[in-house]
Amino acid sequence: AQSVAQPEDQVNVAEGNPLTVKCTYSVSGNPYLFWYVQYPNRGLQFLLKYITGDNLVKGSYGFEAEFNKSQTSFHLKKPSALVSDSALYFCAVRVGGGSASKIIFGSGTRLSIRP
Amino acid sequence: EAGVAQSPRYKIIEKRQSVAFWCNPISGHATLYWYQQILGQGPKLLIQFQNNGVVDDSQLPKDRFSAERLKGVDSTLKIQPAKLEDSAVYLCASGTGGHEQFFGPGTRLTVL
Repeated sequence: AQSVAQPEDQVNVAEGNPLTVKCTYSVSGNPYLFWYVQYPNRGLQFLLKYITGDNLVKGSYGFEAEFNKSQTSFHLKKPSALVSDSALYFCAVRVGGGSASKIIFGSGTRLSIRP
Repeated sequence: EAGVAQSPRYKIIEKRQSVAFWCNPISGHATLYWYQQILGQGPKLLIQFQNNGVVDDSQLPKDRFSAERLKGVDSTLKIQPAKLEDSAVYLCASGTGGHEQFFGPGTRLTVL
C-alpha cells in the first residue's frame, strides 16, 4: 500500500539550533513528495515539494528537505530554528496520476521550539 | 489572489442532527477536495471533484455524508445524521490538477 510515515509525534528544539522532522514513504514509481505546515486554527500551508531534479529542495520560511531515494526518506530541515516555527508539520505523497491523483498525508509531527 | 473560503468556522451540534459546510475554492481551480482531520491525525481525503464531477469518493461514508459541487465552483458537504466520531476539522482545498493544493481555514465540528 502506498503510504507516508512520520515516526515522531513531537520534536523539541532550542531556538537557534538546527531542526529535522523525519518522513519516510512507500510508493510505487517516482514519488511526488510535499511538506505542509499547520498553525493553530488555520488550514494547511504548502512549504515545499519534490517532483524531480535536485535532491535538496528549498521552500518557504527557510525550510528545506532532502530527498533520499535509497532510504525512501524526505526529511524536513532548517539550519536555525525560530520560536515562530512551532507548529504541526505534515509530510505527504501524491499517488495516482492526472485529475485522479490524490495526496496522502502522514500523521503529523508537532514541532516545538523553546526560546 | 483570494484564498479558499470556508464557513462556518465552528459548529457545535448534538448527535443525530444534520450539519452542512460550505467551500468556495480559488477562482479558476477545477479540482476541489474535502478532507476530514481528526485531532492528532493527518487529513484524510473524503471526496475529490474535478469541475462538477466526482473523481474519488472511496473514503466518504455515504450512508451519512454527501457532497455536491453543482456548478463546478462552490461545494457543500453534509452530514446527516451526525455521530460523535464525526467531531473533526473539515478542510476544503482546491487546485489546478497539478501538484499543489491550497487549503481553506477549515470548519471545526463538535458533536455532543
